[in-house]
Amino acid sequence: DAGVIQSPRHEVTEMGQEVTLRCKPISGHNSLFWYRQTMMRGLELLIYFNNNVPIDDSGMPEDRFSAKMPNASFSTLKIQPSEPRDSAVYFCASSLAGAEQFFGPGTRLTVL
Amino acid sequence: AQSVTQLDSHVSVSEGTPVLLRCNYSSSYSPSLFWYVQHPNKGLQLLLKYTSAATLVKGINGFEAEFKKSETSFHLTKPSAHMSDAAEYFCVVSRTSGGYNKLIFGAGTRLAVHP
Repeated sequence: DAGVIQSPRHEVTEMGQEVTLRCKPISGHNSLFWYRQTMMRGLELLIYFNNNVPIDDSGMPEDRFSAKMPNASFSTLKIQPSEPRDSAVYFCASSLAGAEQFFGPGTRLTVL
Repeated sequence: AQSVTQLDSHVSVSEGTPVLLRCNYSSSYSPSLFWYVQHPNKGLQLLLKYTSAATLVKGINGFEAEFKKSETSFHLTKPSAHMSDAAEYFCVVSRTSGGYNKLIFGAGTRLAVHP
């Protein structure tokens, strides 16, 4: 099992640019979570999908952030336009029916 | 509302000595509690979880935690630290919200292990 796969692992971009983060959950898992980790705020849940449907997006900071899950094996988190305060590590996690969440290695985003 | 407080932001021990990472929780009902570990530049890995069965929970890599309701604590321990234990550790409580179990993370404790 390859685990949760995230790409890219590192992203450096300039303010105002569009950023797309990608996640492939563990095969067979039906729940997917996007988290953001910063020094100031720690780990925060951004959005939760169940069976490809967004269930809880109350953690999405603002309209510049959007997430999609077009099928059971792929999800994206997009930031448009990006700002320096979006710099963080973004984690994707997946689980089966509310059991243990398995985390990906994260994407370190730096917005200059 | 459910929350967790990790009492130490940094803990430093010598290799071979015991490890104690402290966590207090707040919950209006019997909580589900977890400890996750994050090694540098890696994702989070589940160490152990408590879900109202045995109060002493054994996890991976020799770690264990004891649920103490009277003290609202869920401290993580290991008898003998190894250099590879150096990492950040998160105490987590699960909150049922909108039909799913939402994880609420503590601020983390960074464990340093010295030779």
